[in-house]
Amino acid sequence: AQRVTQPEKLLSVFKGAPVELKCNYSYSGSPELFWYVQYSRQRLQLLLRHISRESIKGFTADLNKGETSFHLKKPFAQEEDSAMYYCALKPAGNTGKLIFGQGTTLQVKP
Amino acid sequence: KAGVTQTPRYLIKTRGQQVTLSCSPISGHRSVSWYQQTPGQGLQFLFEYFSETQRNKGNFPGRFSGRQFSNSRSEMNVSTLELGDSALYLCASSPWGQNQETQYFGPGTRLLVL
Repeated sequence: AQRVTQPEKLLSVFKGAPVELKCNYSYSGSPELFWYVQYSRQRLQLLLRHISRESIKGFTADLNKGETSFHLKKPFAQEEDSAMYYCALKPAGNTGKLIFGQGTTLQVKP
Repeated sequence: KAGVTQTPRYLIKTRGQQVTLSCSPISGHRSVSWYQQTPGQGLQFLFEYFSETQRNKGNFPGRFSGRQFSNSRSEMNVSTLELGDSALYLCASSPWGQNQETQYFGPGTRLLVL
């Protein structure tokens, strides 16, 4: 079965602390993985995708095929990082379809 | 470019009624996907339209349908509404719906079924 699991519903950290949002996936084949973010009163938007290997707003994510994980990391959390984060998988050959995890709310305390 | 727009933003219906939601994609985008978001099930893919054709479909009953017009605008319809259809319905557009493309999401239509 194709599935994305985000085990934490809520992650609360202090400003300046490291952040790791966990994402595990179940998929046979080479996955295409994304992190989407939704800030308060804003729409869902792309944060980063694994193939780009980019760092956006200080966040990075590495695809670990052995552990079937795509965890999102940031070394020093900022208050403006507080948001809902969704990990998503695009199955090959499935046009327009994303499979989302349940999401993790990141709360960065001052 | 203007973002994805959805109308209406809020809707209240009663069981048994039907509803039509509208989505206007980003100019030039030809793929429109629809998702249902509920607290229990999260974000679930409904279907995707491209060039006026349904190209992909999720696991939803036939009461959920959609269409796309020549200008890429899309509508989704839910017939014989049930209480469980109460949800936030999101649409997203992308140029071709292909691999690695970013999906751009609209603000959603919140449907309440009483």
